[in-house]
Amino acid sequence: EAGVTQFPSHSVIEKGQTVTLRCDPISGHDNLYWYRRVMGKEIKFLLHFVKESKQDESGMPNNRFLAERTGGTYSTLKVQPAELEDSGVYFCASSQNRGQETQYFGPGTRLLVL
Amino acid sequence: KQEVTQIPAALSVPEGENLVLNCSFTDSAIYNLQWFRQDPGKGLTSLLLIQSSQREQTSGRLNASLDKSSGRSTLYIAASQPGDSATYLCAVREGTDKLIFGTGTRLQVFP
Repeated sequence: EAGVTQFPSHSVIEKGQTVTLRCDPISGHDNLYWYRRVMGKEIKFLLHFVKESKQDESGMPNNRFLAERTGGTYSTLKVQPAELEDSGVYFCASSQNRGQETQYFGPGTRLLVL
Repeated sequence: KQEVTQIPAALSVPEGENLVLNCSFTDSAIYNLQWFRQDPGKGLTSLLLIQSSQREQTSGRLNASLDKSSGRSTLYIAASQPGDSATYLCAVREGTDKLIFGTGTRLQVFP
């Protein structure tokens, strides 16, 4: 069974540009999560999809971040325009059911904004 | 607001030692607690998941305990090996589904 995959693995962009990150969850997992770690800080929650619906987006830092999950399969996270403080590692995770199940994490996308 | 703390921040030990990594959380109203391992430049690998009703979970040389009332969890690693070198993260899940992470313990096991 394939794990959670993320693309790209690395991205280097200039301030003001747009970047789109993609996450493919484990097949059959309705729940998809985005997290990020900025330099020197702990991993923090961004948002949670149940199928194509946003269940919780309380962790989204501002309106420069837009997450979508059309069709309830893969998800994209767009940052537009990117700022220096957006640099960090963006992780995606998925789980089959809510509540008590393990969340399985992808390898992350390392974003550097110059 | 839930806060998760991990002590120590870093640990360096010789191969063969038994280790205890600590995780504490401020709000005991959790659904479960999960221990992860992260290798440099890689993603997170789930090690153990303890439900709020459980006291401990074991997997191979790893044993995780949970004392919800005191807001503590420990990860015990028996007979450490150089391959155990990684950053270990604990995360608690509350009423919503999001995980709240600690800052991690960076472990180095030298031969």
